[in-house]
Amino acid sequence: IAGITQAPTSQILAAGRRMTLRCTQDMRHNAMYWYRQDLGLGLRLIHYSNTAGTTGKGEVPDGYSVSRANTDDFPLTLASAVPSQTSVYFCASSTTEYNEQFFGPGTRLTVL
Amino acid sequence: GQNIDQPTEMTATEGAIVQINCTYQTSGFNGLFWYQQHAGEAPTFLSYNVLDGLEEKGRFSSFLSRSKGYSYLLLKELQMKDSASYLCAVNSGTYKYIFGTGTRLKVLA
Repeated sequence: IAGITQAPTSQILAAGRRMTLRCTQDMRHNAMYWYRQDLGLGLRLIHYSNTAGTTGKGEVPDGYSVSRANTDDFPLTLASAVPSQTSVYFCASSTTEYNEQFFGPGTRLTVL
Repeated sequence: GQNIDQPTEMTATEGAIVQINCTYQTSGFNGLFWYQQHAGEAPTFLSYNVLDGLEEKGRFSSFLSRSKGYSYLLLKELQMKDSASYLCAVNSGTYKYIFGTGTRLKVLA
């Protein structure tokens, strides 16, 4: 692994289904983030983690949950997907909250 | 509320200089970032300003005025590969990142 990876690349999901988006980094960064990017709205922070074992809510956390069991992994779960969660999801990491963020390639999620 | 304003779209000619402006109104300020995002790809970091003044990195420079809530990204010697969206983002508090909607730059031959 080089940098930060996400899986799956894209997914079509029926409304009401549960879905977990995966994110893994190998840079030993303390901070990790989940964003969604929608046309005309820019990137919006969903959840963040400043270190393993600690998470926090961003600007648009409702309907999403995260966990940070170790430094490398930061999965995002949609417990019961709704069509408004159709978006491109980016995971990112940084050494601290004051440093530049490195973004994963993104997951394009469509909820029907 | 908190918001960041950037022009939606700009067009420039290969070899020229272009300035992309960003104005922000946030409850706090811990630094301003510029990212480049090519269509269908992830954002990549370009520059960071936390103090007033100009930061230069090769063909890219970024300026910040905290008193005016204003920043710009200057791209010199434009190349076709610079066609992309440029995102202005402010760290407005503990893990409070606000992103602008981005400026789509088209570089014409």
